[in-house]
Amino acid sequence: AQKITQTQPGMFVQEKEAVTLDCTYDTSDPSYGLFWYKQPSSGEMIFLIYQGSYDQQNATEGRYSLNFQKARKSANLVISASQLGDSAMYFCAMREASGTYKYIFGTGTRLKVLA
Amino acid sequence: KAGVTQTPRYLIKTRGQQVTLSCSPISGHRSVSWYQQTPGQGLQFLFEYFSETQRNKGNFPGRFSGRQFSNSRSEMNVSTLELGDSALYLCASSLGAGDGTDTQYFGPGTRLTVL
Repeated sequence: AQKITQTQPGMFVQEKEAVTLDCTYDTSDPSYGLFWYKQPSSGEMIFLIYQGSYDQQNATEGRYSLNFQKARKSANLVISASQLGDSAMYFCAMREASGTYKYIFGTGTRLKVLA
Repeated sequence: KAGVTQTPRYLIKTRGQQVTLSCSPISGHRSVSWYQQTPGQGLQFLFEYFSETQRNKGNFPGRFSGRQFSNSRSEMNVSTLELGDSALYLCASSLGAGDGTDTQYFGPGTRLTVL
């Protein structure tokens, strides 16, 4: 069955440093997508980055990169040069290509960037 | 391109009343999903509509219902409101492709308070 695990309920990082948010997943489907979303205190979920299961290279979007280790079933989000505006909840999600098409979300990691 | 819009943004109701929330997806998106987010339960999937048909459903009582119109706009209805229905309700739209690449984009949410 689909499952997403985010083991870090909260993290702190100094401004301008890099931070890695962990995400592991479980699926038996060979084709799936992995997503990261940011949720500031305002509540809106903002799409950050996508990684497909067949993608050979790690996805990157500006300061965001996804460290995709397929054999370990992990999809960690790396934020480089953290900014105060990065303080938010971060959710990892997965969608399988077959079956119910449901998105499965992790429980989230609250990131606080310190000045 | 305009993003996902949700109305109203804030709502206060009393127990026993009913409420209707509205979601307009990104132009061209045919899938609309609804989520409930509470501090205690996290992000929970309510249902997904694709081309006016409910494609997926979460584990919520029948008091929660939805529909989708031919222009892909969607409404969610909650009848006989309970205190526990107080939450942030998020709507997400996507193209609705039946594979793992389908990316959901979220609206700003409707914050419902039940007194």
